[in-house]
Amino acid sequence: GDSVTQMEGPVTLSEEAFLTINCTYTATGYPSLFWYVQYPGEGLQLLLKATKADDKGSNKGFEATYRKETTSFHLEKGSVQVSDSAVYFCALSDGNSGGSNYKLTFGKGTLLTVNP
Amino acid sequence: DAGVTQSPTHLIKTRGQQVTLRCSPKSGHDTVSWYQQALGQGPQFIFQYYEEEERQRGNFPDRFSGHQFPNYSSELNVNALLLGDSALYLCASSLWGSGYYEQYFGPGTRLTVT
Repeated sequence: GDSVTQMEGPVTLSEEAFLTINCTYTATGYPSLFWYVQYPGEGLQLLLKATKADDKGSNKGFEATYRKETTSFHLEKGSVQVSDSAVYFCALSDGNSGGSNYKLTFGKGTLLTVNP
Repeated sequence: DAGVTQSPTHLIKTRGQQVTLRCSPKSGHDTVSWYQQALGQGPQFIFQYYEEEERQRGNFPDRFSGHQFPNYSSELNVNALLLGDSALYLCASSLWGSGYYEQYFGPGTRLTVT
């Protein structure tokens, strides 16, 4: 079945450092790929997405490129801020199903802490 | 524009009891999915409802059941609670047939089973 493997955390960085969180996936079809962020005590928020190979998703300075050849969707940010401290989840939805009956498969999450 | 809402926020139950969680989808959405997020883990798909029918189900036992109402809101019921059912339960809504799949999540219900 589908699966997502994320870089193990926690990750601790100083403000303005470069961030990379690795994500690789296994899927039988042509999935869409997502990064979600979860701030303490809150639900999930969609951070960015990519729906086909070589697409680059970007939002709030974060970006990730859908690499079909390496089945990867690594999250990057050039300069992190304290406010970026959160748990980040990589996820995929199976593109083989018709209509909107796409379930999301998540990685285990990576806790990012950014210190001033 | 109201987002996805869930109630209650927190809940404490005893083993063997039954619980009902509620979800109202984002305005304009007609599909509701439920996820279980255990502590330190990613969310796991429980099931999805559209047109008041269960459309897809994850690897969860029959103790987990659901319902969708004509106004698109949904309930998740869990019978015979186990300690392992303690988790954050997330509801997500979307619009059926909207092309690529994007779900909007509610804040969740934190269930503690003692």
